[in-house]
Amino acid sequence: GQSLEQPSEVTAVEGAIVQINCTYQTSGFYGLSWYQQHDGGAPTFLSYNALDGLEETGRFSSFLSRSDSYGYLLLQELQMKDSASYFCAFGMDSSYKLIFGSGTRLLVRP
Amino acid sequence: DADVTQTPRNRITKTGKRIMLECSQTKGHDRMYWYRQDPGLGLRLIYYSFDVKDINKGEISDGYSVSRQAQAKFSLSLESAIPNQTALYFCATSDPTGLAGGGTQYFGPGTRLTVL
Repeated sequence: GQSLEQPSEVTAVEGAIVQINCTYQTSGFYGLSWYQQHDGGAPTFLSYNALDGLEETGRFSSFLSRSDSYGYLLLQELQMKDSASYFCAFGMDSSYKLIFGSGTRLLVRP
Repeated sequence: DADVTQTPRNRITKTGKRIMLECSQTKGHDRMYWYRQDPGLGLRLIYYSFDVKDINKGEISDGYSVSRQAQAKFSLSLESAIPNQTALYFCATSDPTGLAGGGTQYFGPGTRLTVL
C-alpha cells in the first residue's frame, strides 16, 4: 500500500530553523510535494521535488532522497505567520493524483 | 478574483438528502480533483478528471459521484448524505506542464459540509 509518515506536531521559536520530516512507502513515485494550510484555509503549494536533492524557495527549502524514501521541509527565519499545518504528498503515477500525509502542525512561539 | 471557487462555502443538511458541491476554475487547467479532509487529517482523493470525458475514482469514491460539465466546472454530489460524510471538501486543479509539474495543485477555499 501507499503511506506517508510525518510528525503530528512541532514547536519552534520565532527566528529559528525547523525541519519537518516525511517518509513514504509506495510502489510508484512521481515526486514529493509540500503544502501549507492555515486553520480554516485551503492548502497552498510550497515546494516540489521530482529528483534527489535540495530545492530552495526563499525561506523554505525541500529535500528528497528517493533511495531512502525520505524528504523534509526546512523553514528558516521562522515567523509567527508560519504557524500552520504542513503536508507532504506524493504522486503515484503520471496522473499526478496526490496521496497526502496526515500533516504536521507547526506552532511558532515568540 | 479567485482562480478556483467553490459553492456553497458552508452547508448543513440532513441524512438522506442529495447534495451538490460545485467547483469552477479560471486557470484553464484540464485536471481537476475533489478531496475530503477530516479534522486533524490529511486530504483524501474522492474523484479526479483529466477532461470532460475522463473521470476517475480516487481513494474514497463510495457514496459520491461527480460531473465534469465543462473544462472549468467539476461538481461533486452526495446522492444520499450520511453523517460520516461530514467534512471539509476541497476542489483542486493542476497543470502537469507547469513549472513544478503535476506536483502543484491549486485549491479552492473549501466547502464545510455538515450532515445531521
